[in-house]
Amino acid sequence: GENVEQHPSTLSVQEGDSAVIKCTYSDSASNYFPWYKQELGKRPQLIIDIRSNVGEKKDQRIAVTLNKTAKHFSLHITETQPEDSAVYFCAPKTGGSYIPTFGRGTSLIVHP
Amino acid sequence: EPEVTQTPSHQVTQMGQEVILRCVPISNHLYFYWYRQILGQKVEFLVSFYNNEISEKSEIFDDQFSVERPDGSNFTLKIRSTKLEDSAMYFCASRREGDEQFFGPGTRLTVL
Repeated sequence: GENVEQHPSTLSVQEGDSAVIKCTYSDSASNYFPWYKQELGKRPQLIIDIRSNVGEKKDQRIAVTLNKTAKHFSLHITETQPEDSAVYFCAPKTGGSYIPTFGRGTSLIVHP
Repeated sequence: EPEVTQTPSHQVTQMGQEVILRCVPISNHLYFYWYRQILGQKVEFLVSFYNNEISEKSEIFDDQFSVERPDGSNFTLKIRSTKLEDSAMYFCASRREGDEQFFGPGTRLTVL
């Protein structure tokens, strides 16, 4: 099965700084790469996703970059705000299945 | 905007008891999922359901678990004889076509 690693496990930044979280995966057949944000006690919510035919996607302060050769993709948050504080999960999905494999999560703390 | 709903939000039960967790997926969605998340850990896939039958299941989804779509709106997860280690947050998710899954708010199951 897919082996997914996320780094770092915890990330602490000052408001206004940028944050980058990296996700590596093992299955070269993976073709869908989403990032979820989960606030404490809440549901995971999709914040951005990318498919294997695209290298980068941006949505306001959030971007995702994909390197299929190296089998990793990263979440970039610019101009961080305290409300960005949450746990972020990557969940790549292999082709032929609709079952994502979640990473262990990265706890992002944005200090005001 | 339509959302996945789940009831109850919190269920407390004694070890060995049966529990049924309920979900109402988004009305025009066709694929349904159950996940669990042990406190502080990653989200783990349990089972997927399409066209009134299980399409995929994980090793966690053993004979103690079952799913059902008893009518046109509800999707249930039954645990026949709960164990302490079943204590977790259980998320239902649904999708129509494509990759994006929409998660419910979760049911926190506590087994005493």
